[in-house]
Amino acid sequence: EAGVTQSPTHLIKTRGQQATLRCSPISGHTSVYWYQQALGLGLQFLLWYDEGEERNRGNFPPRFSGRQFPNYSSELNVNALELEDSALYLCASSYRTGGVETQYFGPGTRLLVL
Amino acid sequence: AQTVTQSQPEMSVQEAETVTLSCTYDTSESDYYLFWYKQPPSRQMILVIRQEAYKQQNATENRFSVNFQKAAKSFSLKISDSQLGDAAMYFCAYGNKLVFGAGTILRVKS
Repeated sequence: EAGVTQSPTHLIKTRGQQATLRCSPISGHTSVYWYQQALGLGLQFLLWYDEGEERNRGNFPPRFSGRQFPNYSSELNVNALELEDSALYLCASSYRTGGVETQYFGPGTRLLVL
Repeated sequence: AQTVTQSQPEMSVQEAETVTLSCTYDTSESDYYLFWYKQPPSRQMILVIRQEAYKQQNATENRFSVNFQKAAKSFSLKISDSQLGDAAMYFCAYGNKLVFGAGTILRVKS
């Protein structure tokens, strides 16, 4: 079974530009979560999509947005990039079974903002 | 809001020995899930073990086991017979929208 995939693996942008990160969940998983892992700040929850809808978002400004497609893949968009957006962005997919929801992570996209 | 605290920034263990990583959390919920994830230098986050709060029995996965103390809100990870491949950053996490602790770097000495 294929795991969660993310693209690109690395992304270099300049301040003010837009970045688009992509995530494909494990087959059968309907939920996608996005996390930011910035140096010194740990892992922080960004967004949660389920069945095509945004279900919750973390404490991030509106320039962080995304969507989930009918095939459950997801896109994270970061507009007006700032230097502090440089981080590893992790996507996770999950499926609830027997009341337990477990997230499985992709390899991440490393975003560098210059 | 839920919080997760890992009080050990770094731990070391000799190969083949046992090490315990600590985690405490704070929540007002009664039903929840707890996880330990491992992040090796490759940065891929790997699920190690999970625990449902309503289960009194501690979860075990091969060499990995937890000591879940619900009243104390404690969720420690025990790694037995440590191997070089266990070296990684270990994160304790709570809930569905995972709230992560700051992580513990585990070094394994040969």
